[in-house]
Amino acid sequence: GESVGLHLPTLSVQEGDNSIINCAYSNSASDYFIWYKQESGKGPQFIIDIRSNMDKRQGQRVTVLLNKTVKHLSLQIAATQPGDSAVYFCAENIIQGAQKLVFGQGTRLTINP
Amino acid sequence: EAGVTQFPSHSVIEKGQTVTLRCDPISGHDNLYWYRRVMGKEIKFLLHFVKESKQDESGMPNNRFLAERTGGTYSTLKVQPAELEDSGVYFCASSPGLVFETQYFGPGTRLLVL
Repeated sequence: GESVGLHLPTLSVQEGDNSIINCAYSNSASDYFIWYKQESGKGPQFIIDIRSNMDKRQGQRVTVLLNKTVKHLSLQIAATQPGDSAVYFCAENIIQGAQKLVFGQGTRLTINP
Repeated sequence: EAGVTQFPSHSVIEKGQTVTLRCDPISGHDNLYWYRRVMGKEIKFLLHFVKESKQDESGMPNNRFLAERTGGTYSTLKVQPAELEDSGVYFCASSPGLVFETQYFGPGTRLLVL
């Protein structure tokens, strides 16, 4: 069945370093992927998305990489800041299918001063 | 522009009681979604409204859960009677049009059933 999973439940990095959060998905029909950030007491906040016709997309300090061959998604955060500490979720969808997101379990990113 | 709002932020009830959660989507958004995250698990889809119609309710766990969106604006999710396993965080999200677009989430309602 459909599933989106994350390789690591927790990740700690030093402030200023780069971080990489990984995600694996199993539905080869998925063609839209999103990264969300969830801070304590808040709902998931959209960070960046990518469609399956791309393999890389950049935002402000964030880059998403998509490898459809191995069904792998990653989120790179450059020059991490204390405000980046949060739980990060990847989610997948099929654009022409049901409009429900399938989420992974989440990775807790901690930025150490 | 106001974001998605949810009420209450927290609810503590006893097993067997009824709880009603409310979601106000972003103004003008036709699509409204309910998700929930139970302890230690991933966020899971419950159902999707397009305006006042249920488009997909495949994620609703059982008939103790009833969602409505009368008038196509705000939505309510009622749990009756509540069970211990219903504890978790219930999120609402909305998106603008008929073609899939980014879903914007509310802060969630934290439900604890004792």
